[in-house]
Amino acid sequence: EVQLVQSGAEVKKPGESLKISCKGSGYSFTNYWIGWVRQMPGKGLEWMGILYPGDSDTRYSPSFQGQVTISADKSISTAYLQWSSLKASDTAMYYCARETYFDYWGQGTLVTVSS
Amino acid sequence: EIVMTQSPATLSVSPGERATLSCRASQSVSSNLAWYQQKPGQAPRLLIYGASTRATGIPARFGGSGSGTEFTLTISSLQSEDFAVYYCQQYNNWPPYTFGQGTKLEIK
Repeated sequence: EVQLVQSGAEVKKPGESLKISCKGSGYSFTNYWIGWVRQMPGKGLEWMGILYPGDSDTRYSPSFQGQVTISADKSISTAYLQWSSLKASDTAMYYCARETYFDYWGQGTLVTVSS
Repeated sequence: EIVMTQSPATLSVSPGERATLSCRASQSVSSNLAWYQQKPGQAPRLLIYGASTRATGIPARFGGSGSGTEFTLTISSLQSEDFAVYYCQQYNNWPPYTFGQGTKLEIK
């Protein structure tokens, strides 16, 4: 069974750094793209970027380029989304999902940034 | 960047009736179009990919059609569990693989 399991909810202050994770199981992690999607409170889905764990090819939405970093450790079948300096406007639910059309989704990680 | 526009923003339909949701792309995305369903407090779920192929486990009452710039999701006979928000997404041109803004399907 394909599963994507994300790390737990985070509460951070503006300016802090953060790295959230998404662990894949039940399939060959290196053979499928992993993407990240933002959903701000009460809003729609925003495509942030995508990574191919097999060769680390990474593509970012222009809206998120330079704001976040997507990476993966294929030895532990885990993808990451990280921020170096969080803002209040980063408060959102973040989902990881598999493939170019997202056939499997993680359960989401709620990130709250507040002073 | 390709802009995906969904209509209507909200659709009110009675259980048992048919629902038709639309999605338009600002330029051709061929058949590289997916539909998702999202219920409150849940992650989205893939319904349709390739514009018309149902994902694993998706009931036959969900149907997708279209190509190029015009796409439709049809739910043939609405069940209570179908009331949710629906998103389309193009995965033809990146980055980004843009989503539409969503259509909320509500009970009439």
